[in-house]
Formats: sequence, structure tokens, C-alpha cells
Amino acid sequence: DTAVSQTPKYLVTQMGNDKSIKCEQNLGHDTMYWYKQDSKKFLKIMFSYNNKELIINETVPNRFSPKSPDKAHLNLHINSLELGDSAVYFCASSQGFFRNTEAFFGQGTRLTVV
Amino acid sequence: QQPVQSPQAVILREGEDAVINCSSSKALYSVHWYRQKHGEAPVFLMILLKGGEQKGHEKISASFNEKKQQSSLYLTASQLSYSGTYFCGTIKYIFGTGTRLKVLA
Repeated sequence: DTAVSQTPKYLVTQMGNDKSIKCEQNLGHDTMYWYKQDSKKFLKIMFSYNNKELIINETVPNRFSPKSPDKAHLNLHINSLELGDSAVYFCASSQGFFRNTEAFFGQGTRLTVV
Repeated sequence: QQPVQSPQAVILREGEDAVINCSSSKALYSVHWYRQKHGEAPVFLMILLKGGEQKGHEKISASFNEKKQQSSLYLTASQLSYSGTYFCGTIKYIFGTGTRLKVLA
């Protein structure tokens, strides 16, 4: 039973398209995150949501819009995809924010923009 | 701002030791450590909650110097299974620049 699951695992799309990545966690956590990992392996935080409320919004283009319909889900919608958006995107969750609990990661979504 | 890790990459032979450092320009209230194997998601190793704390996880241990805003991860008698990228993380789940570790037979 997967704790944090993302769909799809792979996504290949053309420049200019709009795509979404879904994330669901069944751990009962109240905080969820999106990270972008580029080819250099940097794990850059994009957004954090606590109880469906946005608490961290790093310098991310407006083309990226997170949506949290409930505490168990955090989806990422990307408009007008660009070549530089190609990366692996990880969703994660933890119990509480600023509370020193373990973060659990999804398996990642490899996005390739051609 | 993300913590800076050093070295960026290290290659070891089985049985050798390594130290990975994590340094923050902002106050570190605690430090998390994670390991990411190739093609997989990061996996939690340990959390250090206060300055001076040291923890161990098999042959992997860590220390945390709150005043210096630094933490170090120690890998002793490395095994092939230790290969991967190691990340330190802050209380806000902002991760460091990463250290790629490769253990050779």
C-alpha cells in the first residue's frame, strides 16, 4: 500500500502544452510538498501546503499552479510547458510543518518537454 | 536559501569512511538527513533535534552543531548499498545541495 503516490510516473509532452501531475498520500499527514529535481540532482522546493493552505511558494514561474482539494491530495498543474521544465518532480508529505517529522516522498514524475 | 553541502561528490572503496558536511547561512533548528538511490525517491535517515546531538543509524551517524549552523554525516566502513545522493534538510523541509556518494567494490 503506497504511502505517497504520484501519477503519472513518466510524462512526455511538447512545448506549449498544459499538463497536470497528481499526488495522493494515505498517511493522514496534513502537510504536502512539491519539489523539482534537475539533472544536477538539486532538490528544489516549489510549494508547501499545510491543511490545504499554501505556506511556502518559492520563486516559481506563474505557469506552475498547485491545487490542494483536500489534505490528502496536492496536484501540480503546469501551463505552457517549456524545455527548461524537464525534470523529475517529487511530491512529499509530513505530519505538521516546522515539527521535525519524517518526510515521505512519492516515486517521482519524470517530465520531458520536447 | 538552501544549505550548502560538501563535498559535491565522493568516490570510495568498500570499507572506507566518508564525511558529508552541511552548512546553512540561516539558523538551523534541526537537521534531517536523507539518502536517494539512483532512480528512486529520497528516503529518511535521521533527524537531529538539538545542538551537540549525535545519532547513529547502522554505520551511519551524524552530528549537529547548532551554533555553527552545521551538521555532518559520517559513513564508516562503507558498503556498496551506501551509494546514492545524500541530502541534509531544514525544519522547513528545504534540502541542501546534495552529495553524490559512490562506493566501489
